[in-house]
Amino acid sequence: SAVISQKPSRDICQRGTSLTIQCQVDSQVTMMFWYRQQPGQSLTLIATANQGSEATYESGFVIDKFPISRPNLTFSTLTVSNMSPEDSSIYLCSVSADYNSPLHFGNGTRLTVT
Amino acid sequence: AQRVTQPEKLLSVFKGAPVELKCNYSYSGSPELFWYVQYSRQRLQLLLRHISRESIKGFTADLNKGETSFHLKKPFAQEEDSAMYYCALASGGYQKVTFGIGTKLQVIP
Repeated sequence: SAVISQKPSRDICQRGTSLTIQCQVDSQVTMMFWYRQQPGQSLTLIATANQGSEATYESGFVIDKFPISRPNLTFSTLTVSNMSPEDSSIYLCSVSADYNSPLHFGNGTRLTVT
Repeated sequence: AQRVTQPEKLLSVFKGAPVELKCNYSYSGSPELFWYVQYSRQRLQLLLRHISRESIKGFTADLNKGETSFHLKKPFAQEEDSAMYYCALASGGYQKVTFGIGTKLQVIP
């Protein structure tokens, strides 16, 4: 399966600032996703990162708050903008080699907003 | 809307005892079900999927459409099975995957 590198692994940020999380895959993949896991909660899909076009956001998530880039088939970034303590969470990059392959996950980014 | 329910947040069993991690789902179509596992300090990884009908690390899971369940079972728990287990449902290919809240399995030596 693909090797997924996610950076940073953790960060502590101040309210009002922004953080960009990077996801690098060692092979080309069709699908890239960003998930959030809030404390004590399940994984929630934020958006699908589309190569060369705007991301597809799930209900409750908007581009202004979570801008996503995907310039090619191996790399994506998620930015958490204008952070508040409610954004404290684990953010996970996930990939699928093709439409018929299950998801594989990065190690996640543990974000704490103070 | 699709939903995955894992009723137990924590399940403690003794080593050698049988394990059953419960998962129920709600979906009107034909779902594809998975179990993911996260060991301490490791990434979330796929354990098994129902279409494979295979046993991984001694674990099996059978899709019961009548009861809308996909319980994970192992006849004899090992200490190394201690981890978080997430049940997941995929619809429309893998573009929409819904996860349960997870069950922490603690195997007591």
